[in-house]
Amino acid sequence: AQTVTQSQPEMSVQEAETVTLSCTYDTSESDYYLFWYKQPPSRQMILVIRQEAYKQQNATENRFSVNFQKAAKSFSLKISDSQLGDAAMYFCAYRSSTPLGGGATNKLIFGTGTLLAVQP
Amino acid sequence: DAGITQSPRYKITETGRQVTLMCHQTWSHSYMFWYRQDLGHGLRLIYYSAAADITDKGEVPDGYVVSRSKTENFPLTLESATRSQTSVYFCASSESILGRKRELFFGEGSRLTVL
Repeated sequence: AQTVTQSQPEMSVQEAETVTLSCTYDTSESDYYLFWYKQPPSRQMILVIRQEAYKQQNATENRFSVNFQKAAKSFSLKISDSQLGDAAMYFCAYRSSTPLGGGATNKLIFGTGTLLAVQP
Repeated sequence: DAGITQSPRYKITETGRQVTLMCHQTWSHSYMFWYRQDLGHGLRLIYYSAAADITDKGEVPDGYVVSRSKTENFPLTLESATRSQTSVYFCASSESILGRKRELFFGEGSRLTVL
């Protein structure tokens, strides 16, 4: 079974600085999707960025980028020019790309989250 | 408004009572999911559904029942609530399992407290 590990329960960054959140995963599959979700105090789950495993190029969305190391099964999130609004819980998630009837592998598997504080 | 909505947003109940959390989506997404969020565990899948009348267990299904008679609704029932079911519950949906359409869209969560 696939697992997702976030080893940093909490992180802190100064406003305008850069921070990297770590995520590792375990899978025997070769094709899959990886995601970072942000959960602010409002509890809403917001998709930050996605990465297809078959793509070697790291995904980027404005100030957010990933460092995807497929062989190492690592998927870190870099936030550049951190803003106060970036303060939230961040979850790394894995999703298989291989359907096995009835959407059995369609579920999203989450890590335990990293709480990011942004200091003014 | 279009989207995915959960109700109630907050619920307090007592041990042994039956509780139903509602989830409604207006996109006609095929796939729907129920997760619970607990400190130190992230989000864990309770049940999911690939279409109307098709449901399956996730990681932590014990004590929960789901149904999906209509594509847009996916209620989660706690038949006899226990304190260990105190949690925040998230409903989610996705259009497909293919490509970018596999993105999950989440409701705003329902905080349930069992006394």
